Amino acid sequence: KAGVTQTPRYLIKTRGQQVTLSCSPISGHRSVSWYQQTPGQGLQFLFEYFSETQRNKGNFPGRFSGRQFSNSRSEMNVSTLELGDSALYLCASSSSWGQGRSGNTIYFGEGSWLTVV
Amino acid sequence: GNSVTQMEGPVTLSEEAFLTINCTYTATGYPSLFWYVQYPGEGLQLLLKATKADDKGSNKGFEATYRKETTSFHLEKGSVQVSDSAVYFCALSASGDSNYQLIWGAGTKLIIKP
Repeated sequence: KAGVTQTPRYLIKTRGQQVTLSCSPISGHRSVSWYQQTPGQGLQFLFEYFSETQRNKGNFPGRFSGRQFSNSRSEMNVSTLELGDSALYLCASSSSWGQGRSGNTIYFGEGSWLTVV
Repeated sequence: GNSVTQMEGPVTLSEEAFLTINCTYTATGYPSLFWYVQYPGEGLQLLLKATKADDKGSNKGFEATYRKETTSFHLEKGSVQVSDSAVYFCALSASGDSNYQLIWGAGTKLIIKP
C-alpha cells in the first residue's frame, strides 16, 4: 500500500512569509504527527493529530500550527518565517494515537525540505 | 525530565566490522525503547524495539538489549554492510506519559566503507 506522502518535497521561502506543508497518511491511519529535524537540534516533536483533534503538542511557538481533515490528511503552517525555521519537516502516520504506544508503529514520510532565505 | 543520549557521530567502519552504537536514557519507571533508522533521502523507519527490561529487540541482523541496571539500549551488529550506512536514532516512550510521546536522541550517522 502507498506510504506516507508529503508535499512539497523542497521549497524556498523568504523571511517573513508563511508556508503550508501537506501530509497524506497511509490509508486507514488516523493519527498524524509532525516533527522538525535540524542538524543542531535533532528531531523535535511539533504536534500529533488524531481524528481531527490535536492530541499532543511540543514546545514550539504559536507560529507553528496544524490541522487534520476528515480524511486524515494533515497540514502544518508556519507563519512569519525565520531563518531558524529552515529544516526538514517530517510527518508520521499510525493507526492509533500515541507514537510510543505498545502495538502502535509509526511510519514516516520522506519529509519536506524548507529553506528560509 | 526524560532524555536520550546517543554517541556522537559520524561512526566510520569498514565492511564486515562489528558495530556498536551507544544509547543511554533517563526516565522514571520502565520506558519502552526504540531504534529507528533513516537511510539517505528517506524518512525514518522502525528498526527494533523493546518494551521491558532484559528484552532483546532484533531485526535485519541488528540487536539491542534493554538494560535497566545501566539504563542503556546499545545497538549492535556483527558484520556491517555498505547498505547499513544511515543515521540511527534511539528513542524512548516514558511509562508515565499518557500521551506516549517519543523522546529522541540526536542521531548517530554511520558510514560503512567497502
